[in-house]
Amino acid sequence: DAKTTQPNSMESNEEEPVHLPCNHSTISGTDYIHWYRQLPSQGPEYVIHGLTSNVNNRMASLAIAEDRKSSTLILHRATLRDAAVYYCILSKLIFGTGTRLQVFP
Amino acid sequence: DTAVSQTPKYLVTQMGNDKSIKCEQNLGHDTMYWYKQDSKKFLKIMFSYNNKELIINETVPNRFSPKSPDKAHLNLHINSLELGDSAVYFCASSLPLAGGRYEETQYFGPGTRLLVL
Repeated sequence: DAKTTQPNSMESNEEEPVHLPCNHSTISGTDYIHWYRQLPSQGPEYVIHGLTSNVNNRMASLAIAEDRKSSTLILHRATLRDAAVYYCILSKLIFGTGTRLQVFP
Repeated sequence: DTAVSQTPKYLVTQMGNDKSIKCEQNLGHDTMYWYKQDSKKFLKIMFSYNNKELIINETVPNRFSPKSPDKAHLNLHINSLELGDSAVYFCASSLPLAGGRYEETQYFGPGTRLLVL
């Protein structure tokens, strides 16, 4: 099963952009890339997903490398409420340990 | 309006007991899941049901038995609870799988925190 690799933690200041990377070098041609986030004491929450093209929604943007072996979740202006663990997963429902994002005022 | 709900929110019990966790979704989804999140926060899928039929069983001990009375409910029954079962259990649902691939967005419940003493 294709797996993903993410940094354990990242930090940001409020209102700054945040780029959360994810490597998925063994991704198959039809695997979708999903991003979820988990706020403290809550269940995971869908953020965004894509297949090949970059995607934008009200929460974030997803930039997918041309070879699809990596992707980046972009939070355009981090807020304190964005502090969470961010998971990048492929279509096989395998969650890694994610990236813990800390946002400082 | 809660999309995916779980009961109870907290469950503290003794080793060897049998307990159940209930999950209900009002999204009209056909597919439901159970995940386990251990103390290291690693989130792992346990089961998936599509329209009341089991489609994923990820090497979970036989003590865990999911039951789907209808497509809006997926309950998890655990027999002979062990210390290692202590974790947070999340239920989720999604639209039907397309061609067997999991590209549909999942909606998660708030979790059930199980502590086995």
